[in-house]
Amino acid sequence: DQQVKQNSPSLSVQEGRISILNCDYTNSMFDYFLWYKKYPAEGPTFLISISSIKDKNEDGRFTVFLNKSAKHLSLHIVPSQPGDSAVYFCAAKGSGGSNYKLTFGKGTLLTVNP
Amino acid sequence: NAGVMQNPRHLVRRRGQEARLRCSPMKGHSHVYWYRQLPEEGLKFMVYLQKENIIDESGMPKERFSAEFPKEGPSILRIQQVVRGDSAAYFCASSPLGTDGELFFGEGSRLTVL
Repeated sequence: DQQVKQNSPSLSVQEGRISILNCDYTNSMFDYFLWYKKYPAEGPTFLISISSIKDKNEDGRFTVFLNKSAKHLSLHIVPSQPGDSAVYFCAAKGSGGSNYKLTFGKGTLLTVNP
Repeated sequence: NAGVMQNPRHLVRRRGQEARLRCSPMKGHSHVYWYRQLPEEGLKFMVYLQKENIIDESGMPKERFSAEFPKEGPSILRIQQVVRGDSAAYFCASSPLGTDGELFFGEGSRLTVL
C-alpha cells in the first residue's frame, strides 16, 4: 500500500531546460511534504519542503508546487544543471502523534545531459 | 561540524550471523531515526529513538531486530540471525526536534547477506 507514489522511475533532460518531477499521495492526513536528493552511495539530502497551507514554495532554482485537491505535488528545477543528476525522493508526513515519521516514494532518477 | 556518522559503511554477513550498525547523530541532536531502503524501493521508517528511550518501533520487524540509543555512545541497530532479505541500505537520521523540521541523514550502512 504505497501512500506516496513517484510514477516515473527516471527522467532525462537537457542542461538548461526545466526538470519536472511528480509525486502523488493518497493519505489525506499528510500535511507536510519534502523533497530529498540522493547521490549514489550517499545519504538523502534535504532539498525543499512545503506545508499544506501553501501551494508553492521557491528556493533558488527549485520550486515545489502542491495541489491538495489532486493530492499531487511537483518539483521544478530550472535551469537544470548536470550536477542535479541524482535520485529525487518525495516524502510526506502528517500531523498528530506520528508526525515525525516520513513516508517516502520510490524515487525518480534525474539525468541532466550536458 | 560533523554530520550524522554511520559505521560501518559496508558490512557483509553470512546467513545466521549478527549485524550491528552504529549511528552517531549530529552534535546537538537527541532524536535518532532508522530507515531501511530495500533494492528498487524508497526509504521505509523503522524506529525512532531518543536517549535511552524507544519512542516508536512500529516499522521494525518484530523478530531479530532491535535498536537502542544509550545515554552515552551511538545508537545501535542490531539484526540477529540475518537472512538474505535483510540485505539493504540502512540509513540513520537525526533531528534537533522530534516533531518538526527536516531530518539529517547519514551516508548509510550497506548490509549484504551471503
